[in-house]
Parts: sequence; structure tokens; C-alpha cells
Amino acid sequence: SAVISQKPSRDICQRGTSLTIQCQVDSQVTMMFWYRQQPGQSLTLIATANQGSEATYESGFVIDKFPISRPNLTFSTLTVSNMSPEDSSIYLCSVMTIQDTEAFFGQGTRLTVV
Amino acid sequence: KQEVTQIPAALSVPEGENLVLNCSFTDSAIYNLQWFRQDPGKGLTSLLLIQSSQREQTSGRLNASLDKSSGRSTLYIAASQPGDSATYLCAVHETSGSRLTFGEGTQLTVNP
Repeated sequence: SAVISQKPSRDICQRGTSLTIQCQVDSQVTMMFWYRQQPGQSLTLIATANQGSEATYESGFVIDKFPISRPNLTFSTLTVSNMSPEDSSIYLCSVMTIQDTEAFFGQGTRLTVV
Repeated sequence: KQEVTQIPAALSVPEGENLVLNCSFTDSAIYNLQWFRQDPGKGLTSLLLIQSSQREQTSGRLNASLDKSSGRSTLYIAASQPGDSATYLCAVHETSGSRLTFGEGTQLTVNP
């Protein structure tokens, strides 16, 4: 298994500002993903964080709005830029082990934009 | 495009009941399937992982089955407890290392 530390656990932010969410894993993992969960909905993949290169974004998500870094195999950040109330969601980091079978999730970051 | 559906959307049962949560997926060519639990406002906890070659997995009071050819999985919870109250999510991997496709979840309430 993998233990994931995600920070912050929650935040309330002013519109127009940016928030950076950190994801730290206790072991080397090959795949890291960032998901968004809007209120009352299931999870939607934002992007796959690639080590040392640009993230791979899903349709509807762009780098300018959600820049992602992954400098090594155990750490990644997601920034939510120029926030609006529509960005209020839970953001979740997910990893897959070297064996690439089971997925694990962090505790999530509950973001409220006012 | 893979689609995952979970039925029912919500379920309320008295403590002690055995219950079944259903998950169906449109493309049977999956790599594996995972069941997760999510408490309100929190992240996801992995409950059971079933590889595509497996028929079922068990952990304590939980048993998950997989019928890949028909595109169905069930999560059976025995002797339910109030602490089981949460949202249960089903998700599939289409290939090794790929993203997960999630269902909408079943919100379970177990009443004392």
C-alpha cells in the first residue's frame, strides 16, 4: 500500500487568488493523478502528473488554470489559479504503486471559494 | 467511452442487515475494478481490488464479486453497522496504470 499526505486539508479562498495543493507519498510510485469532486458528484480526472515533464490534461482542463508539477516519484503539486466560486470542490491526489494495480487516495483538499 | 453506473443511488437500512450494492460498466475489457469508501468531505479508502481474472475478493464483512463478461460487480456487506454509513464508489481501470472511471456512488445509511 501507499500512504499519501495531502495538504492543506481544507481552505477558504478569495476569488481571483490561487491555491497550491501538495501531495506527498511515502514510497516511489509510477503514476500520480489529480481528481476533482464537485459537490454531490463523483470524481473527475483533471490530469496525470508526469515526473519531470508536463502533465497530461483531460478534456476540459487546461494547464493555465490547473498547473501541475511533479519533480520526483514521491511528490506533486496542483495549483488552482484565478479561482472562482465554481472551483469550490474537493481536490484529490491519487497514486498507483510500482506494480500499477491498486489506486490509493489522499484525504483530499476541501476548497471553498468566496 | 467507458461508463460506470451504480444502483441504488441511496440506501437506508437497519443495523444488522445484509446488503448488496451494484455496479455495472459498459466496456467489459477492464484491467481491474476497485471498491472505495468515502466519508463526507473526506478522501477515498480502498476497500477491495478485483483483478480482471478474478471472480471475487473478501475482506472481513465485505465481499466483492466480478462478472466481467456481463459488466457487473457487486459489493456485499454482511451484518451492517452504523459505522458502515458512507458513500461507496465503484471504479474501473481499463489498462494497467490508467486513470480510474468512477460510478456516481451509493450513499449508505445504517440506522441503529
